[in-house]
Amino acid sequence: DIVMTQSPDSLAVSLGERATINCKSSQSVLYSSNNKNYLAWYQQKPGQPPKLLIYWASTRESGVPDRFSGGGAGTDFTLTISSLQAEDVAVYYCQQYYSTPYGTFGQGTKVEIK
Amino acid sequence: QLQLQESGPGLVKPSETLSLTCTVSGGSISSSSYYWAWIRQPPGKGLEWIGSIYYSGSTYYNPSRESRVTSRVTMSVDTSKNQFSLKLSSVSAADTAVYYCARQGDGYNPPFDYWGQGTLVTVSS
Repeated sequence: DIVMTQSPDSLAVSLGERATINCKSSQSVLYSSNNKNYLAWYQQKPGQPPKLLIYWASTRESGVPDRFSGGGAGTDFTLTISSLQAEDVAVYYCQQYYSTPYGTFGQGTKVEIK
Repeated sequence: QLQLQESGPGLVKPSETLSLTCTVSGGSISSSSYYWAWIRQPPGKGLEWIGSIYYSGSTYYNPSRESRVTSRVTMSVDTSKNQFSLKLSSVSAADTAVYYCARQGDGYNPPFDYWGQGTLVTVSS
C-alpha cells in the first residue's frame, strides 16, 4: 500500500494570508515514463462531497481559483492557498493515483480562519 | 454535465448486507477512460476508497488490512441502466458512514473528478 500522510492535521490562518498543507507519500508517485506525479488534492466543505482541486500535483481543475497551487514531486507535495478567503474554510485531502485504480487518501487537513 | 446519484436504504441492521446503487446521467458508464468508484466517510473522519469497477465488470477492492472490507465487498455494473452497485456484507457499526460514488480516471485522465452527493448509511438494530 502507498500510505499518504498530511501535515498539519489542522491550521488556522488569517484572511488574506498564505496557507500551506504538506503531503508525503510512503513511496514515489512519479511515473518515470511520462514524468508525471500521480497526486491530487481535494477540498471538502461541510455537508458536501469532495471537490477535485488539483491533479498531476500541479494542474488546477477547471474553475478552481488561481490562489490554489500545488507543488512538489516524488514523495513530497504541497497545496498552497496564496491568500485565504472565507470560502476556503474546508478540509483538504491529498490522494495518490499512481496505483490506479487503487487509490489512497491522506487523513485530511482542516483549514480555519484565525 | 455528468451527474451521479446514490440510492439505497439509509438504515441497515448489524450482520446484514448493505446495498447501494449509483445512477450515472449525462454520460456513459461504458467509457473506456474511466473506472467507477465507491468511497466512504465515517462521521467526522476521513475518506476511504472502498473499490472500483470498470464497465467490463473488472473489479478492484481496497486490499488494506485497515480497511476491513476486502472480504465483504462486491461491486457490479449494469451498462444498460448506466448504473453500478455496491454490496457490503456482515455490516457492523463500524460501517456507518456517508457512501459516495465517483468517476475515477484511468490514469491518463484525472482521478475522482465527479462525485455523487453521498448517502448516509447507519448500521443499527
